[in-house]
Amino acid sequence: ETGVTQTPRHLVMGMTNKKSLKCEQHLGHNAMYWYKQSAKKPLELMFVYNFKEQTENNSVPSRFSPECPNSSHLFLHLHTLQPEDSALYLCASSQDLDYRGETQYFGPGTRLLVL
Amino acid sequence: AQSVAQPEDQVNVAEGNPLTVKCTYSVSGNPYLFWYVQYPNRGLQFLLKYITGDNLVKGSYGFEAEFNKSQTSFHLKKPSALVSDSALYFCAVMAGSARQLTFGSGTQLTVLP
Repeated sequence: ETGVTQTPRHLVMGMTNKKSLKCEQHLGHNAMYWYKQSAKKPLELMFVYNFKEQTENNSVPSRFSPECPNSSHLFLHLHTLQPEDSALYLCASSQDLDYRGETQYFGPGTRLLVL
Repeated sequence: AQSVAQPEDQVNVAEGNPLTVKCTYSVSGNPYLFWYVQYPNRGLQFLLKYITGDNLVKGSYGFEAEFNKSQTSFHLKKPSALVSDSALYFCAVMAGSARQLTFGSGTQLTVLP
C-alpha cells in the first residue's frame, strides 16, 4: 500500500468548511483517479487524469474540485459538502490510459464524514 | 455499456474448505477482468487479472480465477480458505472503447475457524 498514499486518513467537516484531500503515488505512473465508495454501493469513478490532464468527469457536483499539479500528486478540494457526501474516497494510479489492461493501484482512502 | 454482477453479497466458508466468489459480466468486445480485495479500513488490493491467453489466471495469496467466455463469468477461487482471507472482494471489467473500470458491488467473504 505504500505505492499510493492518501492524507488525511480520516476527516470530519461541517457543511460550510473547505478542506482538501491529498494523494501521492510513488510508482512512476501517469494516470490518477478519484473514486467514491459508499456503503452498499459499487465504487463510483469521479475523475481521471492522464499526464496531468483531466480526461473524465463523471457528472460530479462542482462542490468537488480536483487538481493534478503533476503526475505524482492529485488533490480533491471540498467545499460546502452535504451529509450524503460522507464516504470513503479512494485514489488510484496506473501507468497510463493507453493500455486498457493496465492495473490500477489504490491508496488506503480518506474516510470523510460531513456533519 | 459494460456491467459486472456479483450475485452474492455474502459468502461463508469454513477454514480449509475451497472457496468461490462469483462474478459475471456483460460487455461489447473482449473483456479485461480484474479481482481486488479490500480489508477493513484499507484501500483495494489487486489480486489478479485476465487480459488474454490461458483462461486460468493465478494471482496473489493462492487465489486464482477462471475466465469462461461462454458463460461470461470470471469466478474467484482458492483451494483452501484461511481465516485471514475474510474481506470484501470486488470484480471489475473494462472492454470495448471504455477506458474506465466498472466494479461490481462486492462480496463479503467470511472464513469461519
